[in-house]
Amino acid sequence: GENVEQHPSTLSVQEGDSAVIKCTYSDSASNYFPWYKQELGKRPQLIIDIRSNVGEKKDQRIAVTLNKTAKHFSLHITETQPEDSAVYFCAASRPGTYKYIFGTGTRLKVLA
Amino acid sequence: GAGVSQSPRYKVAKRGQDVALRCDPISGHVSLFWYQQALGQGPEFLTYFQNEAQLDKSGLPSDRFFAERPEGSVSTLKIQRTQQEDSAVYLCASSLGPGLAGVIPKETQYFGPGTRLLVL
Repeated sequence: GENVEQHPSTLSVQEGDSAVIKCTYSDSASNYFPWYKQELGKRPQLIIDIRSNVGEKKDQRIAVTLNKTAKHFSLHITETQPEDSAVYFCAASRPGTYKYIFGTGTRLKVLA
Repeated sequence: GAGVSQSPRYKVAKRGQDVALRCDPISGHVSLFWYQQALGQGPEFLTYFQNEAQLDKSGLPSDRFFAERPEGSVSTLKIQRTQQEDSAVYLCASSLGPGLAGVIPKETQYFGPGTRLLVL
């Protein structure tokens, strides 16, 4: 069935360093890939997304890259700050169904 | 504007009780989704509505789970005869839905704060 794998499960970085989270999806028909940030006890918040007709997208310190051939997509956070500490989820969806298949999450800790 | 809201935020139920969880989507959003999030896990799809039509209920774990959206806006997720394994956060999300093109992808889902259900 449809599956999204996410690595690593936990990631600790020093403030100011970069963080990279990677996801792999199984359904080659997937065409939309959002990333959500979820703080403890809060709702998932969309931070960036990418569609399958684009290879890279940036928004200030956050970027997402997509390799359709390998079915990989990655989240890049530069100049990390303590407030970036949270759990990050990747997801994939395909046309017609619209439901998201989520990864298992990455707990990011930014150490001051 | 107002985001997705859910009530109650917390619910404690005794095993065997029925519960009803409510979701108020963003006004005008055609699509509505329910997800179940176990502790330390990613959300898992339960069911999807387009207006009042339930188009996909493949993620509902058993026939004890039932969802409805009778007027195409507010939705209710009902769990009958709750079991301990039903303990989780239940998230609702809404999106613009198909056929509504614009700058924001129609697939983008906006989540509510969730209802944390604890079954004792």
